[in-house]
Amino acid sequence: DAGVIQSPRHEVTEMGQEVTLRCKPISGHDYLFWYRQTMMRGLELLIYFNNNVPIDDSGMPEDRFSAKMPNASFSTLKIQPSEPRDSAVYFCASSLGWTSGYEQYFGPGTRLTVT
Amino acid sequence: SQQGEEDPQALSIQEGENATMNCSYKTSINNLQWYRQNSGRGLVHLILIRSNEREKHSGRLRVTLDTSKKSSSLLITASRAADTASYFCATDARGGYQKVTFGIGTKLQVIP
Repeated sequence: DAGVIQSPRHEVTEMGQEVTLRCKPISGHDYLFWYRQTMMRGLELLIYFNNNVPIDDSGMPEDRFSAKMPNASFSTLKIQPSEPRDSAVYFCASSLGWTSGYEQYFGPGTRLTVT
Repeated sequence: SQQGEEDPQALSIQEGENATMNCSYKTSINNLQWYRQNSGRGLVHLILIRSNEREKHSGRLRVTLDTSKKSSSLLITASRAADTASYFCATDARGGYQKVTFGIGTKLQVIP
């Protein structure tokens, strides 16, 4: 298996622009997580899905952030409009849930820079 | 707020030495996991210990859990330069198996 795939790996955009981050989880995994990592705040859970349904989005910072999972093999995290404070590395992770002991498999991340 | 907090935040040792990292947490847990992150990469799962376990081994890794003190330690024996990475503990909360909270991490440097 190719593991969790994220695209793009790097994104540089100007303030006010829309940014869309993409994730393909490991086939068969029924949980998908979006995290944000910064030096100041560490690794923060933004939202997670179970069987394509959002379960907990309490970590989404504000209405500018939205996430979707239209099917089991694809998810997006959208920021509109983007701001410089959104600059961070965004990780997607997937897991099998209790059958794997909740081990999460992380993608390589998308490094977002908003100027 | 951070559920798990690692200590120390940074650790530098010589190759061959043992490295010990600690994690403290605030609320009762079901499981505690340790992850490794190499620079510029995603996190990689190392080991999971359940709340009813006290110690677990995996290769050169030894994890202990003390639920009465709400703390865990990760010991890496006979360290190698390739162990240089950041190490994070991740805790869930009773009733919330999937939602884990990561600590701020311990940055380990192993000097060849």
